[in-house]
Amino acid sequence: QSALTQEASVSGTVGQKVTLSCTGNTNNIGSSPVAWYQQISHGVPKSVMLGNSLPSGIPDRFSGSKSGTTASLTISGLQPEDEANYYCLTWDYSLSAYVFGPGTKVTVL
Amino acid sequence: EVKLLESGGGLVQPGGSLRLSCVASGFSFSDYWMHWVRQSPGKGLVWVARLKGDRSVADYAASLRGRFTISRDNAKNTLYLQMDSLTAEDTAVYYCARDAGGGRGVDYWGQGTLVTVSS
Repeated sequence: QSALTQEASVSGTVGQKVTLSCTGNTNNIGSSPVAWYQQISHGVPKSVMLGNSLPSGIPDRFSGSKSGTTASLTISGLQPEDEANYYCLTWDYSLSAYVFGPGTKVTVL
Repeated sequence: EVKLLESGGGLVQPGGSLRLSCVASGFSFSDYWMHWVRQSPGKGLVWVARLKGDRSVADYAASLRGRFTISRDNAKNTLYLQMDSLTAEDTAVYYCARDAGGGRGVDYWGQGTLVTVSS
């Protein structure tokens, strides 16, 4: 059981805006930056948001935010190539360890 | 260009040991924390461990502490993961990753190396 929760699945049509959430507590998301990773068909994960920073080469349709103990990843203008699993990652002070969320499968209809 | 190349995976019997390696290039290796992350077949990503650049601090996932040991040789730009008392539940692809700095997780990932624990 992860210390973080994510939607199991989210779907949208091409061009639609979708928002993924990652919920934790004051020991993790409430106190630490959150990173997001895209993994297509169980290939190598790719960083799509590191705290408030968009990694080089990632389209600006990806954006991140955080409010209290919930972080969000928004894809504005969903594209077919965005179909993937998305994982959040943050440091948990009570565990003294990083923790991943269970992942959200994004389907482009 | 940042590159991370893992090796050392393979088939190992339950109760056995294995040491994974990750050779880094394209950045000043000793300046960065480095991490190991694993993914069992069909499952999600699991953070395993991290090690500070000067080797002074290591952190582990609670469930793996005591069996897994992270280490590095900065002269060889190489990160290691020693895995002991392996069980079938340790079967996974193991990724080496570079720290992103500022507590923002990891930024660059290696291709991964598959470890299969089976008799």
